[in-house]
Formats: sequence, structure tokens, C-alpha cells
Amino acid sequence: EIVLTQSPGTLSLSPGERATLSCRASQSVSSTYLAWYQQKPGQAPRLLIHSASSRATGIPDRFSGSGSGTDFTLTISRLEPEDSAVYYCQQYGSSPPWTFGQGTKVEIK
Amino acid sequence: EVQLVQSGAEVKKPGESLKISCKGSGYSFTSYWIGWVRQMPGKGLEWMGIIYPNDSDTRYSPSFQGQVTISADKSISTAYLQWSSLKASDTAMYYCARLYSGSYRSALGYWGQGSLVTVSS
Repeated sequence: EIVLTQSPGTLSLSPGERATLSCRASQSVSSTYLAWYQQKPGQAPRLLIHSASSRATGIPDRFSGSGSGTDFTLTISRLEPEDSAVYYCQQYGSSPPWTFGQGTKVEIK
Repeated sequence: EVQLVQSGAEVKKPGESLKISCKGSGYSFTSYWIGWVRQMPGKGLEWMGIIYPNDSDTRYSPSFQGQVTISADKSISTAYLQWSSLKASDTAMYYCARLYSGSYRSALGYWGQGSLVTVSS
């Protein structure tokens, strides 16, 4: 089973700043089968990025994903107040289970 | 518009059985895998398993194999998650989600609103 470790645990930034979230896998994630999700309190998660760098339908271009192998990054280029949420990475490249990271909380000052 | 509508909140006692549902609409139900995800109170997301409604091919996480049963009824576009004997530790929010593409290896693209299951004596 691939273990995903996200860092930092919490990120506290001001509107307009750039957020960089990391997701590290315990073994290589094949063919960049890596997704990022956003979850706001009391809501279901929402898919932001799939295939490591492709934005899902309707996702603003301030969200971008990059990386390969064992190291992946979600970047929010200019934070807005509504970006306050927990962000999860997930791999779906190996045989199931398709694991999630433990999450990074983004707080807007 | 793709929609997944889940059944409502449940309060059960330990040892009772339960089946929650997830009804898909706005797409071809038999063409996309559906997954189930657990979120315990204040915790992160856990991938439980997926099912292909066309032939009920199902894959489980080892952590949930034997603990739950995932099924689907394609005639009514509905997937299910069931327990035969609930434990207090099953208390959680459960989400169903349709895979983003028709491929087996795809992100969870469309989510239901969640079904809260509370197990307490």
C-alpha cells in the first residue's frame, strides 16, 4: 500500500499570497495518477486536480499541480478567502487501495 | 448534470445492520466506477472500495474487506454500502463518488453529499 505524507500540516497565509502544498509518496506513483481535493467544513470533498497537473472542470487557474514519481505539489498562486479549506492528495496508480494523504489545512489570515 | 444523491443520516445501535444508498443521475450509470470513502469525526479521508455497476466488479481496501459490502443495482442507478453488524467505531460520514473518467484508474470526480452514520448504545 502506498503511503502519502502531506506537508505542512497547517499553512497560514494572507490573501494574495502563494500557497505551496507538498505530497510525498512512499513509492513511485505510476503514470502520475495523483489527484488533489479541497474540502471545506461541512462539505463533501471537491476534485481540483487529476493526473498530477490537469485541472478538473470548472476549477480556477490559480490552482495548479505538478510533480512526478514520489514528489507532488499543489500550488495556489493567489490565495482568496474562499480557499480556506483542507486539501488532500490521493494516488490511484497502483493496485487498490487508492490511498489519501492526511491533509493540509490552509488558513487565510 | 452529474448528481449523486445519498440516503439520509442514520442512528443505529451496535450489532444492528445497515445499508446506505447512493443514486446516480445525469450520466450513464453503468459506464463509470463508483467509490466509497469514509471520514471519521474530525479526521481525514479513507478509501474503502469501488464498484463497476455494469457487472458489479468490486475492489476493496484491505482495511475494509470483510467489514462492509459494496453493491449496486443498475436497474435503479443506485450503489450501496452495507454492514451486517455495526460497531461504535463505524460512526463516520460516508461519501460515494463517481470516478472522473470511464477508466478504472481515475480520480473521484463527482461526490455525493455524504451519509452520516452514528452507532451508539
